[in-house]
Amino acid sequence: AQSVTQLGSHVSVSEGALVLLRCNYSSSVPPYLFWYVQYPNQGLQLLLKYTSAATLVKGINGFEAEFKKSETSFHLTKPSAHMSDAAEYFCAVRGPNNNDMRFGAGTRLTVKP
Amino acid sequence: NAGVTQTPKFQVLKTGQSMTLQCAQDMNHEYMSWYRQDPGMGLRLIHYSVGAGITDQGEVPNGYNVSRSTTEDFPLRLLSAAPSQTSVYFCASSYTGGSVTEAFFGQGTRLTVV
Repeated sequence: AQSVTQLGSHVSVSEGALVLLRCNYSSSVPPYLFWYVQYPNQGLQLLLKYTSAATLVKGINGFEAEFKKSETSFHLTKPSAHMSDAAEYFCAVRGPNNNDMRFGAGTRLTVKP
Repeated sequence: NAGVTQTPKFQVLKTGQSMTLQCAQDMNHEYMSWYRQDPGMGLRLIHYSVGAGITDQGEVPNGYNVSRSTTEDFPLRLLSAAPSQTSVYFCASSYTGGSVTEAFFGQGTRLTVV
């Protein structure tokens, strides 16, 4: 079964600094990978998704992620953090049957002024 | 476009009570699922459905029942609530034809069992 592991339950950066949120996947077949963001007391919103078309995926709000098969990773980055980026971020993987989506434990991003 | 709608947004139950969390989507998605979110554990899959009349168990199905009589609705039933079921519940739906698509989420139901 597919699974993802997010390294670091809390990440704190200064405004304007690089954001790096780590996600590693486990899968015996090529995975479909996603990053979601959750603002307080809200549902989950898709940031970006990897579906094998390109290894570097660009998403909303200036975020991007790179699929690295050799490292089984799909880390999320943003060159310059903004206060509005403070939220919880989830990495998720979808299996080959295109149905069952599994999530990581989440990383809470804090942005300091 | 309403997307995925969950009701109620908040609920307090006493131990042993039953209730149904409602979920409806207007995107004609075949696939629907229920997750619970607990601190430090991310979202865990409770039950899912690949179409009307078809349901299956996820990672944490015990204590929950589901049914899928229509494409639009996927209610989650707690037959006898327990404090361990205190959580935030999310319903999601997605299209499953051909290409890989993301899941669309409702706003969640915050359930407290006392």
